[in-house]
Amino acid sequence: QVQLVQSGAEVKKPGASVKVSCKVSGYTLTELSMHWVRQALGKGLEWMGGFDPEDGETIYAQKFRGRVTMTEDTSTDTAYMELSSLRSEDTAMYYCATLDSTGYLYYFEYWGQGTLVTVSS
Amino acid sequence: IVLTQSPGTLSLSPGERATLSCRASQSVSSTYLTWYQQKPGQAPRLLIYGSSSRATGIPDRFSGSGSGTDFTLTISRLEPEDFAVYYCHHYGSSPRYTFGQGTKLEIK
Repeated sequence: QVQLVQSGAEVKKPGASVKVSCKVSGYTLTELSMHWVRQALGKGLEWMGGFDPEDGETIYAQKFRGRVTMTEDTSTDTAYMELSSLRSEDTAMYYCATLDSTGYLYYFEYWGQGTLVTVSS
Repeated sequence: IVLTQSPGTLSLSPGERATLSCRASQSVSSTYLTWYQQKPGQAPRLLIYGSSSRATGIPDRFSGSGSGTDFTLTISRLEPEDFAVYYCHHYGSSPRYTFGQGTKLEIK
């Protein structure tokens, strides 16, 4: 059973960057395809990017390209999502989520508990 | 591909049948059509994958169906814990991962 534990809430000023972590247990990070999904308060789910097994690389949603970087530290089984040039519209809950263990059905099987990022001056 | 869910809000009573719709802007593979449930303050939870396969631990009152552009999530007899927001999701070419806007299932 995969468990994903995310870092705590963050408050940032406009223009700053935020880096959210997602610690994996139950599996190693190299066995998983990690993705990030965000949700503005009271709104729907929005995919940001992640490791795509078909491409064999990390891909990003067009909306976030140039502003988001997703990295992994396999020595600690921790994934990171860094979002820069923050604006008020980036205030949201950020979730890490892993693709299915089959590797070919492309659904999000396990989710972290979420990290609330608030952007406010 | 755009996924449009309807209705936006569905008001029903426990014991009733719920039918939630997810319509794709063009034909998609049912292999990659997924449904999630999200309760307030919680992360989304996997319900149905491959259009019709229940995830581990999901009660059999939940079922999924559909093909092409039209997909349905049915809850045969609503239990109090089923009132939540439901999202459909698809893996495709562009954008790679797409969510519907959600259907809120509320107690009438």
